[in-house]
Amino acid sequence: DAKTTQPNSMESNEEEPVHLPCNHSTISGTDYIHWYLQLPSQGPEYVIHGLTSNVNNRMASLAIAEDRKSSTLILHRATLRDAAVYYCILASYGGSQGNLIFGKGTKLSVKP
Amino acid sequence: NAGVMQNPRHLVRRRGQEARLRCSPMKGHSHVYWYRQLPEEGLKFMVYLQKENIIDESGMPKERFSAEFPKEGPSILRIQQVVRGDSAAYFCASSPSVRVETQYFGPGTRLLVL
Repeated sequence: DAKTTQPNSMESNEEEPVHLPCNHSTISGTDYIHWYLQLPSQGPEYVIHGLTSNVNNRMASLAIAEDRKSSTLILHRATLRDAAVYYCILASYGGSQGNLIFGKGTKLSVKP
Repeated sequence: NAGVMQNPRHLVRRRGQEARLRCSPMKGHSHVYWYRQLPEEGLKFMVYLQKENIIDESGMPKERFSAEFPKEGPSILRIQQVVRGDSAAYFCASSPSVRVETQYFGPGTRLLVL
């Protein structure tokens, strides 16, 4: 079962910022927070990941709460191509387990 | 650098037939993961392999399903005696090391069992 909780769906207007929340109250000290997106009929695509500090890359920003029990994926200016399902996933480095545990994610719709 | 490749992209089988799904990881990646996605659901982990070894098959159904990643060639997910409930999208991902870093996903194989 997924260890994260996300809203089922969200709507945004084009060119406006989008904040996608994720709760992970049972996060452990070794869990990294990963975000993936999935476009219709395609495989998931990595977006960003972080441990404690906020992270920025060319695709998005990741804001992590001080207690690490929640995080927010920020798309600075939504475009129609950002319409996808966004998955928030906890994963630990090391060990023999390599699988990612996907929940149902948040389906983002972007209106022109 | 080519991404993860999967073939076929679409596969139709009748009940009782065998399905073979192939996955070629990204160049330099020796870790392969298989996931299954039912309609309107998230991906479910099936199996994690390194070259010639199955590391974690905790998500694999006990019967009819098998996976391999030989020294040469692609990883194969094999489903014997398919049933309608096997209809799903099957995704393969690869990563360069044993740690759970970024996984790179292929486009998937959509299996339809008639």
